[in-house]
Amino acid sequence: QKEVEQNSGPLSVPEGAIASLNCTYSDRGSQSFFWYRQYSGKSPELIMSIYSNGDKEDGRFTAQLNKASQYVSLLIRDSQPSDSATYLCAVRGYGGSQGNLIFGKGTKLSVKP
Amino acid sequence: DGGITQSPKYLFRKEGQNVTLSCEQNLNHDAMYWYRQDPGQGLRLIYYSQIVNDFQKGDIAEGYSVSREKKESFPLTVTSAQKNPTAFYLCASTIEGVGYTEAFFGQGTRLTVV
Repeated sequence: QKEVEQNSGPLSVPEGAIASLNCTYSDRGSQSFFWYRQYSGKSPELIMSIYSNGDKEDGRFTAQLNKASQYVSLLIRDSQPSDSATYLCAVRGYGGSQGNLIFGKGTKLSVKP
Repeated sequence: DGGITQSPKYLFRKEGQNVTLSCEQNLNHDAMYWYRQDPGQGLRLIYYSQIVNDFQKGDIAEGYSVSREKKESFPLTVTSAQKNPTAFYLCASTIEGVGYTEAFFGQGTRLTVV
């Protein structure tokens, strides 16, 4: 059974701080990695994708991938109250059933003004 | 605008009743998925379909059925055999054959047993 693990939180950070969200996965054949943000009662929306080892930056968001350690993280700089949401880590293989997205249970982030 | 449309947004089911959730996409995506989300939980895969007229069970398919007669449509039926159907249901789609693309989600259907 392929698994994606996240700390459920809640993770509480003050406004303007850096929020660090972590995710580990069990399948070494995983090819692509995603971070989704989900507000309460809403559907997930993609905020970052990463496919190769290293860092990928997009505005206030940085995704980090380490395939050797089977670890992916998301950093949110200058956190805002509007960033308060549940963040879902998702992992995908390649082709056929391996291409299905496997989700973690999510980390709830709370940014305090 | 391209996207995925789920309907209805809210659905109430009586005990022993079958209900069908609609999912339509105009993204020309090959693969479509149904996920279930319970409070405080991640997304669990119910069924997926990679091409028309073919679909596969996910991790929690018992009590559910699907069809894929058209590329654009992937309806989910929650049958009376599903004993605890109250949940948030999400439909998603991806381009198949390319391993790196993300899933696009519909707005979800919240199903409640009354």
